[in-house]
Amino acid sequence: GAGVSQSPSNKVTEKGKDVELRCDPISGHTALYWYRQRLGQGLEFLIYFQGNSAPDKSGLPSDRFSAERTGESVSTLTIQRTQQEDSAVYLCASSKKGSGASYEQYFGPGTRLTVT
Amino acid sequence: QQQVKQSPQSLIVQKGGISIINCAYENTAFDYFPWYQQFPGKGPALLIAIRPDVSEKKEGRFTISFNKSAKQFSLHIMDSQPGDSATYFCAATQETSGSRLTFGEGTQLTVNP
Repeated sequence: GAGVSQSPSNKVTEKGKDVELRCDPISGHTALYWYRQRLGQGLEFLIYFQGNSAPDKSGLPSDRFSAERTGESVSTLTIQRTQQEDSAVYLCASSKKGSGASYEQYFGPGTRLTVT
Repeated sequence: QQQVKQSPQSLIVQKGGISIINCAYENTAFDYFPWYQQFPGKGPALLIAIRPDVSEKKEGRFTISFNKSAKQFSLHIMDSQPGDSATYFCAATQETSGSRLTFGEGTQLTVNP
């Protein structure tokens, strides 16, 4: 079956503009995660969804970042008034279940965001 | 807050050699420790994982060694191959808290032919 897909694969935007990044998880996966990967660094957790609720938003770096999820399907990460420090690869992952079980997280290919 | 520290940052190994990557963690509530492999332009993929109730886990050429008292774990790649050249990340999570992953900084492995 299809893996996690993300769009766009690349996004170049001007400082101050808003951007929306999309994630389509694997069908049937109830848990969805967003991570950010700066150049040459590890992944930083942003937000976790279980179904369409977000029990853990603690990784969102500022109130310019928000995310939503429709049911157990698509998720959108929105960054308002983008800044140059937002430039990174944004990765989405999904798994069968979040809390209480060690289900593998499957990652998408990421969206490379460049803020000029 | 960096809770998982990984070393070395980069590693060059000859084909057939052993690659060793080390990680140390701080949060004793972590109870699941996966390793991920990432190729350029791709998302990370799970390689192997361990829980703290065992000291070693082996899958093919890949072995995790775990030292709970030292709060350290390491990945050993036996008979390293050029196709193993990638970036490797250790991670840790607490399964009862949504399983969000805390990643190390990554190790760029190059296996020379």
